[in-house]
Amino acid sequence: DQQVKQNSPSLSVQEGRISILNCDYTNSMFDYFLWYKKYPAEGPTFLISISSIKDKNEDGRFTVFLNKSAKHLSLHIVPSQPGDSAVYFCAATPNSGYALNFGKGTSLLVTP
Amino acid sequence: SQTIHQWPATLVQPVGSPLSLECTVEGTSNPNLYWYRQAAGRGLQLLFYSVGIGQISSEVPQNLSASRPQDRQFILSSKKLLLSDSGFYLCAWTGGSYGYTFGSGTRLTVV
Repeated sequence: DQQVKQNSPSLSVQEGRISILNCDYTNSMFDYFLWYKKYPAEGPTFLISISSIKDKNEDGRFTVFLNKSAKHLSLHIVPSQPGDSAVYFCAATPNSGYALNFGKGTSLLVTP
Repeated sequence: SQTIHQWPATLVQPVGSPLSLECTVEGTSNPNLYWYRQAAGRGLQLLFYSVGIGQISSEVPQNLSASRPQDRQFILSSKKLLLSDSGFYLCAWTGGSYGYTFGSGTRLTVV
């Protein structure tokens, strides 16, 4: 049962434009949300996170938005760079003592 | 600083052969340890997690097992590999906070 869903398996964006990656979840107990970035043949690396008490968190070019009522979050990358090309995983958890639930990932391609 | 080591990086094994993947963490004590698998089109699937020595929880019934013989060592095993066991295996740890730190992964191909 997939509790975290990333319905877009791939996304292509031109360099300098905004990339928007979407994530939906079904478990209302999820309290903390994270985005991970993964290059081929490497382990995922943490990118940005957001607690359910917030609706926005920003870190440089990366911003995560959370809409709890819609059970939806999104990752915005502005401006997009070719080095951002990777698979992005959305993850969620009820609290720090629980394992993360991951989505299937969205493969982002940023073209020059 | 904390580091996580996972090996081997790649592995090609025949069907029916055994498997042993090892993961060790340095620079921390009593970490929560996790094994995930990334299979084609399946995202990151949690296989096992451990909150302490000898404590293993399995999330998905399968042909695999896990053990934690020492505080900072987590081993993924199989007695007889199946073709469906092919995938990219990731070890991860957390010290109780929300985020994981992942290892570099093992690409397993069962032939």
